[in-house]
Amino acid sequence: GENVEQHPSTLSVQEGDSAVIKCTYSDSASNYFPWYKQELGKRPQLIIDIRSNVGEKKDQRIAVTLNKTAKHFSLHITETQPEDSAVYFCAASKDSGYSTLTFGKGTMLLVSP
Amino acid sequence: NAGVTQTPKFRILKIGQSMTLQCTQDMNHNYMYWYRQDPGMGLKLIYYSVGAGITDKGEVPNGYNVSRSTTEDFPLRLELAAPSQTSVYFCASSLEGAVYGYTFGSGTRLTVV
Repeated sequence: GENVEQHPSTLSVQEGDSAVIKCTYSDSASNYFPWYKQELGKRPQLIIDIRSNVGEKKDQRIAVTLNKTAKHFSLHITETQPEDSAVYFCAASKDSGYSTLTFGKGTMLLVSP
Repeated sequence: NAGVTQTPKFRILKIGQSMTLQCTQDMNHNYMYWYRQDPGMGLKLIYYSVGAGITDKGEVPNGYNVSRSTTEDFPLRLELAAPSQTSVYFCASSLEGAVYGYTFGSGTRLTVV
């Protein structure tokens, strides 16, 4: 089955800095890659996703890049703010058949004022 | 729309006891999922369902059972609770497969003592 590795496990930045979280996946058939944000004690929420026919996608201060050849994808957050502090999960799935998400282990992002 | 509703929010069980975690969604989603979240381990898929009457095992199904008699409800049954089942359990749903994005419930924090 699919295996998703996520790095780093913890990331501390100063407010205004950029943050990058990286994930690799094992199944070359995977072609859907979402990112979820989970604030402390809350449920995970989808913040951005990318599909294999796209190399990069942006939504205001967040962007995701995908390199299918290398089987890795990354989340980029620019101009970080304290409210960006949360655990971020990457995930991967196929878009055919009975598709389910395989998640990485998560990255705790701490943004200091 | 309430989205995905999970009950209870918290529960303490004694070893060997049984319980059912309830999950219901009002979005007419076909797919429903149960994940468990352990610190530093991400989200692991327990069981999922692609429609009423159809269920399948995920990555960590041992010690759990599910049923899907209606589109709305997807209860998770724990028989003979063990300390290893101490975790936070999230139910999620999606319109069809994973590529439609998950909507998560608020979670159930279960402690087995």
